[in-house]
Amino acid sequence: TQLLEQSPQFLSIQEGENLTVYCNSSSVFSSLQWYRQEPGEGPVLLVTVVTGGEVKKLKRLTFQFGDARKDSSLHITAAQPGDTGLYLCAASGAGSYQLTFGKGTKLSVIP
Amino acid sequence: DAMVIQNPRYQVTQFGKPVTLSCSQTLNHNVMYWYQQKSSQAPKLLFHYYDKDFNNEADTPDNFQSRRPNTSFCFLDIRSPGLGDAAMYLCATQRGREETQYFGPGTRLLVL
Repeated sequence: TQLLEQSPQFLSIQEGENLTVYCNSSSVFSSLQWYRQEPGEGPVLLVTVVTGGEVKKLKRLTFQFGDARKDSSLHITAAQPGDTGLYLCAASGAGSYQLTFGKGTKLSVIP
Repeated sequence: DAMVIQNPRYQVTQFGKPVTLSCSQTLNHNVMYWYQQKSSQAPKLLFHYYDKDFNNEADTPDNFQSRRPNTSFCFLDIRSPGLGDAAMYLCATQRGREETQYFGPGTRLLVL
């Protein structure tokens, strides 16, 4: 069974601060996705990373896929209250239909 | 443009009264999934279809059934909802193996 360890589970920060969320595994994944979910809504895709060492930027969000494709990080610069939500990492293995999810990081950005 | 649509967004049912949730997609993806998500937890896969091939997770209760009459539509039937089945139900689609999954907005089910 492939496991994704996501940390931290909860994060409460002041507006303007930076933060990093980690997603780690002992397994190699063919791709990894980051989703953001607001209360009462479905997860919305932020990014998919597929290449080891890949870095993608989405405005103030920076996503990195580890060289060995076993881990990933999400860094948010100058967090804003609109960044509040549940952040989920999810990954799939070679030839697999199924996603393995991390447990999620519940982020609260306080104005 | 909506790509994965779920109806209704909110559903209230009574204990033991069958309920059906629906999902449709405009992406023409081969794979469709149903997940159950409880508060602030990761989604839990119930089952998925690759085209018409149905794949049930080992720990999905028999109370949960699914139908996929065509590529665009997929239904989740809960035959006798219990209080513990109150949750957000998410539908997702995927074009093929190892590709990105796209989620619908979810249906929040309340069991009275």
